Amino acid sequence: QLQLEESGPGLVKPSGTLSVTCAVTGDSINRTYWWNWIRQSPGMGLEWIGDIYHDGRTNYNPSLRSRLSMSVDKSRNHFSLTLTSPTAADTAIYYCATRGISATRGGHYWRFDPWGRGTLVTVSS
Amino acid sequence: AIQMTQSPSSLSASVGDRITVTCRASQGIGNDLGWYQQKPQKAPQLLIFAASTLQTGVPSRFIGSGSGTEFTLTITSLQADDSAIYFCLQTYNYPWTFGQGTKVEI
Repeated sequence: QLQLEESGPGLVKPSGTLSVTCAVTGDSINRTYWWNWIRQSPGMGLEWIGDIYHDGRTNYNPSLRSRLSMSVDKSRNHFSLTLTSPTAADTAIYYCATRGISATRGGHYWRFDPWGRGTLVTVSS
Repeated sequence: AIQMTQSPSSLSASVGDRITVTCRASQGIGNDLGWYQQKPQKAPQLLIFAASTLQTGVPSRFIGSGSGTEFTLTITSLQADDSAIYFCLQTYNYPWTFGQGTKVEI
């Protein structure tokens, strides 16, 4: 059964770099899924950050694109997120989630399933 | 980006009640909408995708409907275990966007 688990630093300084990793277990990261990052903060609610395919193709939220990079490590079966120049506004619970496609009678649709439990990252000096 | 407006932000109901949560999209999104349940310290769970298709294993009291710009999640015969935050997510085009969430208290 596919499962995801996030890990992160907990606390990041504004001058540093925010990095979070998602470990994929129960299946290979080479499957036909898009691997997503989503964050949740009290002020902003849920925000989609971006996603990555196993071949390295990415899609980023335009609001974060200038500071964002994502990568896949096939040897470790995990994927990662890096956000440069973090500010207090980047304080959030960071979730990883799988986006796969499902066929119904009406067509093909994306599903976000499963998700990890999330990891809290606080940006503070 | 497509804006998703979800209402109400919270509601209180009793076991056995029927409740409805609504998401409105700022433009037509066909049926590209999912509903998710979020409980404290747990991974969000997919309830419904394609606006009305029940995810495997989800109880049939969860019903999704709508298309275009207006969507609803109905929970018939509310159970104590349904106490959670529910949110919608559009997957019509990038960037994917969420509703603000509805906190359901029982």
